[in-house]
Amino acid sequence: EVQLVESGGGLVQPGGSLRLSCAASGFTFSDYSMNWVRQAPGKGLEWVSYTSSGSITKYYADSVKGRFTISRDNAKNSLYLQMNSLRDEDTAVYYCAREEAYGDPFDYWGQGTLVTVSS
Amino acid sequence: SYELTQPPSVSVSPGQTASITCSGDNLGDKYACWYQQKPGQSPVLVIYEDSKRPSGIPERFSGSKSGNTATLTISGTQAMDEADYYCQAWDSSTLYVFGTGTKVTVL
Repeated sequence: EVQLVESGGGLVQPGGSLRLSCAASGFTFSDYSMNWVRQAPGKGLEWVSYTSSGSITKYYADSVKGRFTISRDNAKNSLYLQMNSLRDEDTAVYYCAREEAYGDPFDYWGQGTLVTVSS
Repeated sequence: SYELTQPPSVSVSPGQTASITCSGDNLGDKYACWYQQKPGQSPVLVIYEDSKRPSGIPERFSGSKSGNTATLTISGTQAMDEADYYCQAWDSSTLYVFGTGTKVTVL
């Protein structure tokens, strides 16, 4: 059974940093591209970042470019999102999501982890 | 940037058909997919490549596309189908784009 489990969310002050993790199981992690998608409270879905299966290619939404860094450790079946210079508008539930290849739909999602940016 | 527009809400009676539209420039040249998100839960893929259904998704969910408008149809809608639905497409400039979302209410 495919499982994606996020962790690392919490309360952080504006300008602070946070690192999210996503632990994958039930599939060959190194065969799949991975993404982070977020959802602000009461709002819609917003794609955040993409990494190819071998970390060669990475993309970011304009709203987080230069502040967030996506990475993965295929040996540990884990995906990460380093978030720096956090802003109030980064408050959201962050989901990791799997895709077979670049541009494919997201076929499995984690349960999400809540990040709250507030003073 | 690329945008996908959905109606904010759709209401349907149990057993009837609900249709949710998703419109965007040149959507006819792209694949659309649809996600269902129930309150407090993660999104679930219900339609991909315009009209294909992942394994485990009930046959009452179907997708189609005409011109630049994709449509998700729920036939014989059940109370359990009450949820938010999002379309999504991939665009070369904006990359992964989600629609504005539609709340389906089963009255």
